[in-house]
Amino acid sequence: EAQVTQNPRYLITVTGKKLTVTCSQNMNHEYMSWYRQDPGLGLRQIYYSMNVEVTDKGDVPEGYKVSRKEKRNFPLILESPSPNQTSLYFCASSLTGPYTQYFGPGTRLTVL
Amino acid sequence: RKEVEQDPGPFNVPEGATVAFNCTYSNSASQSFFWYRQDCRKEPKLLMSVYSSGNEDGRFTAQLNRASQYISLLIRDSKLSDSATYLCVVNINTGNQFYFGTGTSLTVIP
Repeated sequence: EAQVTQNPRYLITVTGKKLTVTCSQNMNHEYMSWYRQDPGLGLRQIYYSMNVEVTDKGDVPEGYKVSRKEKRNFPLILESPSPNQTSLYFCASSLTGPYTQYFGPGTRLTVL
Repeated sequence: RKEVEQDPGPFNVPEGATVAFNCTYSNSASQSFFWYRQDCRKEPKLLMSVYSSGNEDGRFTAQLNRASQYISLLIRDSKLSDSATYLCVVNINTGNQFYFGTGTSLTVIP
C-alpha cells in the first residue's frame, strides 16, 4: 500500500530534550516536506527536500533541522524543543515539486 | 500579508445545497493550485487540482482566475459526508514551496 508513515504519532516531552520525528514514504517520491499546523494559522511549511541531500527552508524553519540521506526518509529534528513548538506536524511527499502531495497521519507534539 | 487567504467560515448548509468557497493568493509567480480536504485534524487529502481552464469532478468544480489571483471551489448537491475543512493550496514556482490557506469549515446539515 502506497503511504507516508510518521513516528511517533503522539509525543509529550520537556523543554530542551532533543527529539526526532521520523517520516518514510514507499512511493519513490523525490519531493518531501514537513509542515506544522496551528489553530488559526493553518499549515506552514518548515523544510522541504527536492531529492537526496537537497533540502531547503520553508516558511518557519527556526528551531528545526532535517536531513535527506535516503530517498524514502526525511526525519525532522528538534535539537532543543521549546513550548512554542507544540503543534501538529505533518510529513508529505510528492513525485516531484509542484504536484499532488500525500500526507502522513500526523504527529501531535507537546513540549512542556 | 499572507500568501493565501480564505474565508474561515463556518459554512452551515442544508443537504442538497450548493456552496462556493473562494481563496485569494498574493504571489503572481504561483504556478500550481489545489484544493485539499481535511477531516477533524486528520491528514489533508487532495480533493482536486485546479487548472487554468477550470475543471470538474462530479459534484465539485474548481476555477482559477489568474488576473484576479483567486481560485474557487463549488460543491453542488451537498452531502453530509462533505462536512470537513477545505484547504486552498498554492505552489510558488521559484522555490517549490507550498502555501496553505487556513481552511474553510463546512458543515452539511440534514
